Amino acid sequence: NAGVTQTPKFQVLKTGQSMTLQCAQDMNHNSMYWYRQDPGMGLRLIYYSASEGTTDKGEVPNGYNVSRLNKREFSLRLESAAPSQTSVYFCATDSGRIAYNEQFFGPGTRLTVL
Amino acid sequence: AQSVTQPDIHITVSEGASLELRCNYSYGATPYLFWYVQSPGQGLQLLLKYFSGDTLVQGIKGFEAEFKRSQSSFNLRKPSVHWSDAAEYFCCLNTNAGKSTFGDGTTLTVKP
Repeated sequence: NAGVTQTPKFQVLKTGQSMTLQCAQDMNHNSMYWYRQDPGMGLRLIYYSASEGTTDKGEVPNGYNVSRLNKREFSLRLESAAPSQTSVYFCATDSGRIAYNEQFFGPGTRLTVL
Repeated sequence: AQSVTQPDIHITVSEGASLELRCNYSYGATPYLFWYVQSPGQGLQLLLKYFSGDTLVQGIKGFEAEFKRSQSSFNLRKPSVHWSDAAEYFCCLNTNAGKSTFGDGTTLTVKP
């Protein structure tokens, strides 16, 4: 089992370009999440999907859109990239947004916006 | 609103020495607490979690953590650090609704 996979691993964009980050899980989990990680700031939630067909904003949703394509896949789109979106992006999953559930993380996508 | 504070940004210990990483939280109800580890270039991996019962919890790789409600703390410990423990460590609090709040992380360097 691959667990949680993310593509691409690295990406460099110019300001104003668009791209989609892909995430897939084979854990049969209901909930999926997108975080960004910036130095000294921990992980901040961008969007999450509690179940197939639903998505909700997290702490820092501006400049991003998401699609829960099916139970396995959850993509994050940057329509017009800005240098402030330079970050490491992590996808995570859990079996449900319940207090005692731990999250399982992908390896991350390192994005640089010039 | 809930919050998690990891007071130490960076800690350096010698291999074989003991380790304690601090985590303090603020939350008005019973917290669900986690420690995750992130090795360079990798995603986060769960070390241990606490949500009820014994306040001393054991995790993987020889780590343990103690929940102290009176001090709002959940400190991570290991009696003897190995070079492979060098990584970034994150404390995380889940609310009753399942919302996760992560601390800013503590980077551990292990000296030979």
